[in-house]
Amino acid sequence: QVQLQESGPGLVKPSETLSLTCSVSGNSVTGGYFWAWIRQPPGTSLEWIGSLSPSGTGYYNPSLESRVTISSDTSKNQFSLHLTSLTAADTAVYYCSRESRALVVPAAPSHNWFGPWGQGILVTVSS
Amino acid sequence: DIQMTQSPSSLSASVGDSVTITCRATQSIARYLNWYQQKPGKAPKLLIYSASTLQSGVPSRFSGSGSGTDFTLTISSLQPEDYATYYCQQSYSTARITFGPGTKVDIK
Repeated sequence: QVQLQESGPGLVKPSETLSLTCSVSGNSVTGGYFWAWIRQPPGTSLEWIGSLSPSGTGYYNPSLESRVTISSDTSKNQFSLHLTSLTAADTAVYYCSRESRALVVPAAPSHNWFGPWGQGILVTVSS
Repeated sequence: DIQMTQSPSSLSASVGDSVTITCRATQSIARYLNWYQQKPGKAPKLLIYSASTLQSGVPSRFSGSGSGTDFTLTISSLQPEDYATYYCQQSYSTARITFGPGTKVDIK
């Protein structure tokens, strides 16, 4: 059974860099799945931050791309999020998730969906 | 960007009721649509992917339908554990995956 667990600071100062780690058990981060970060500001909906392919290539939300890096540590079976130049607008619960990608129709784009998810970690950006 | 809307934003229903939630995309997304359930203080849980495929372990009272721009999630007989917020998510634009604003289902 796949399990994911986020770790990192709960409070970060404006203009600093956020670093979060997702520890994965029950699946290899270099296996057949992508691995994603998704966040949820308080009281609002979900925002996809980006995804990491099994080969280590990152794909990012264009609205965050200039500030985001997602990478993996295969020796620890973990993947990480780095988000720079933080502002109060980055305050959110951050989730890591396994992302499945499947070809339903040949030659068509793959279908992507997220699950399971980690429990989430609340990150507050404040001085 | 493909924007997702959901209606209603909230609804009240009784145990045993049939509930339908609608999700609409600003352009055709074929069947690239997923549904999630989120309970307070918990992570979202995948219910349905590719518009109508039930995720393993999800009760059969949940069903999804639709294609193009209009989609529905139906709960055929609402159970106490189904009170939650439901989100749709499109993956047609894989470079910009987006979620709907959510529909909160609470007790009538």
